[in-house]
Amino acid sequence: EPEVTQTPSHQVTQMGQEVILRCVPISNHLYFYWYRQILGQKVEFLVSFYNNEISEKSEIFDDQFSVERPDGSNFTLKIRSTKLEDSAMYFCASSASGTGLLYEQYFGPGTRLTVT
Amino acid sequence: KNQVEQSPQSLIILEGKNCTLQCNYTVSPFSNLRWYKQDTGRGPVSLTIMTFSENTKSNGRYTATLDADTKQSSLHITASQLSDSASYICVVSVRNYGGSQGNLIFGKGTKLSVKP
Repeated sequence: EPEVTQTPSHQVTQMGQEVILRCVPISNHLYFYWYRQILGQKVEFLVSFYNNEISEKSEIFDDQFSVERPDGSNFTLKIRSTKLEDSAMYFCASSASGTGLLYEQYFGPGTRLTVT
Repeated sequence: KNQVEQSPQSLIILEGKNCTLQCNYTVSPFSNLRWYKQDTGRGPVSLTIMTFSENTKSNGRYTATLDADTKQSSLHITASQLSDSASYICVVSVRNYGGSQGNLIFGKGTKLSVKP
């Protein structure tokens, strides 16, 4: 069964460093998402992406964040200058459709980012 | 403010027993409500999706109910198994102006532990 994959599974970085989190969505999906989950907190929407541009973003997704689909398979989240509060689990998701009432989002296993 | 509240925060039950998890939401305009299962350190996996016109939906031993008038939902697990130990997350989608599904708003989840 096709699935969303994410690398690395765990990333440790120092405050102020840039990190790139990578995702490979399900191959025939067209809509891509990033979410984050701070330890013990709920999952929060960051950004959605379709047709090579951002569809929607939350207030969390500030200028420190960017997303890119550099080729036909990868979808990346870049944090330019990490802060301690960026430590969280980051989930990538993809869906075949972004419209209609019932499109299903499939989540990857997540990347745990630890900023020290 | 759009919010999803779940109760209880955590629950311990014996294998073979049934349990019911609750979700209240204040999301408007409402598109649909989903229940996800999230194993520790993994991404959420969808169990059910319901629109406002659906009162109940089943997926194996999982049965979700929705009362769109009172903005309440429940997830009933029948004959629990050890593998049911996970967090169960209620997620509500906002309806976009054009009628399509907007982004997902997550509850904090109920952590279920099934003991032998």
